[in-house]
Amino acid sequence: KAGVTQTPRYLIKTRGQQVTLSCSPISGHRSVSWYQQTPGQGLQFLFEYFSETQRNKGNFPGRFSGRQFSNSRSEMNVSTLELGDSALYLCASSIDTGGTEAFFGQGTRLTVV
Amino acid sequence: QQQVKQSPQSLIVQKGGISIINCAYENTAFDYFPWYQQFPGKGPALLIAIRPDVSEKKEGRFTISFNKSAKQFSLHIMDSQPGDSATYFCAAPYNQAGTALIFGKGTTLSVSS
Repeated sequence: KAGVTQTPRYLIKTRGQQVTLSCSPISGHRSVSWYQQTPGQGLQFLFEYFSETQRNKGNFPGRFSGRQFSNSRSEMNVSTLELGDSALYLCASSIDTGGTEAFFGQGTRLTVV
Repeated sequence: QQQVKQSPQSLIVQKGGISIINCAYENTAFDYFPWYQQFPGKGPALLIAIRPDVSEKKEGRFTISFNKSAKQFSLHIMDSQPGDSATYFCAAPYNQAGTALIFGKGTTLSVSS
């Protein structure tokens, strides 16, 4: 069974640009969550999608957005990039409800210069 | 925003020793407490999880102890091995409506041989 796939693995962008990251969940998983990981703040929840609807949203500015497609694949977008957006962005997929294991991808390392 | 407070930030243990990491949570409605293990360059992976209806759960060398009245839970790694050297995160549900998680800041464990 294939795991969670995130693409690309590495990205370098310039301040002010926008970026789109992709996540393909495990087959059969309908819930996808996104997290930002930085050395200073640790793992912070961005948003969660279930059946193409945003189910939860963390405390991030509106420059961070996401969506989920009918095949459960998800994308997140960051507009007007800032240096502080440099981080590892992780996607996790779960079958459906809370209290079940969240499987993480290897992440996308975003560097903003 | 709800928090999960994790300590210590870093831990050095001799091979064969016991590693103990502690977490405290706020929301008494939380019903699922997982621990994740992360190696450099990898996404977090579920290590072990507990629900509040039990006070302890053991899987191999890993044990979660749960104290509902104190709103605390801890991870014990018995007979720690160099291969256990990683970053460990405790987590709790972001809310009761989905699969999103809030994480502690992480503990970097080094097991010396």
